[in-house]
Amino acid sequence: GAVVSQHPSRVICKSGTSVKIECRSLDFQATTMFWYRQFPKQSLMLMATSNEGSKATYEQGVEKDKFLINHASLTLSTLTVTSAHPEDSSFYICSAMDGYSNQPQHFGDGTRLSIL
Amino acid sequence: KQEVTQIPAALSVPEGENLVLNCSFTDSAIYNLQWFRQDPGKGLTSLLLIQSSQREQTSGRLNASLDKSSGRSTLYIAASQPGDSATYLCAVRPGRGSQGNLIFGKGTKLSVKP
Repeated sequence: GAVVSQHPSRVICKSGTSVKIECRSLDFQATTMFWYRQFPKQSLMLMATSNEGSKATYEQGVEKDKFLINHASLTLSTLTVTSAHPEDSSFYICSAMDGYSNQPQHFGDGTRLSIL
Repeated sequence: KQEVTQIPAALSVPEGENLVLNCSFTDSAIYNLQWFRQDPGKGLTSLLLIQSSQREQTSGRLNASLDKSSGRSTLYIAASQPGDSATYLCAVRPGRGSQGNLIFGKGTKLSVKP
C-alpha cells in the first residue's frame, strides 16, 4: 500500500540550530502534503498545508518564517525549523494525499525533536 | 465549526472481547471520515476510509460505520488482541471536496489485556 517516509525519526540538538525534516511519498503522487505537530497526550495540530509547486498555507498562529515548508516535487516536502528553541521541542508528523483520488490520507512515522 | 468527539477517552478490555469505539461530529457536511491507529511515539496508520456516500467499510477484524445524518461513526473491533492496544483516532474531512483539512478527535486509548 501507499507509504509515507519521514526522516529523521529523532533529532536532539542545541538551541539556535536549524533542523530539516523530510517527508516522501513512496508510491503515489502527493498533490498535497500536510505538517502536524503533536504535544504529549494531545491530538494532532495542523501547522500548514502545501500543494506541489505552491507556497504553503499556514494555520493561524504558526510562524511561516519559523517553520519553512518546501514542496518542490510530487513526492517530497521538507519542513525546516529555523533557529530552534526548547519550546519548539515536539513531535512533528507529515502527511500526504493524492487530491485527485479517493485514497486515504497517509502519515509518516513522525520526528521527535528535542532542543536542548 | 466542525468538532469531533471520541468516547470513551480510554478503554481497557480482556483479550478476545468485541468492542466499539465511538466518534461523533457536529457538522454532517463531510467529504469522508477516516479511522487511524497511533502507537506510542509513532505516526498514524490509516485503518479505514469511509466516503460520505458509504455506510460502512470492513478490513479484517475491523468494521467502521458511518451515519452522516446523525453525525456518528463507530469502529468495531472483533476478537480483540493485545496487539490492538494503541490510540485510535477518528478524523473527518469537511466540505464537498478533497480540499478540506482533516479534523481529528482526541482519540480513544485502547488497552487489550492478555
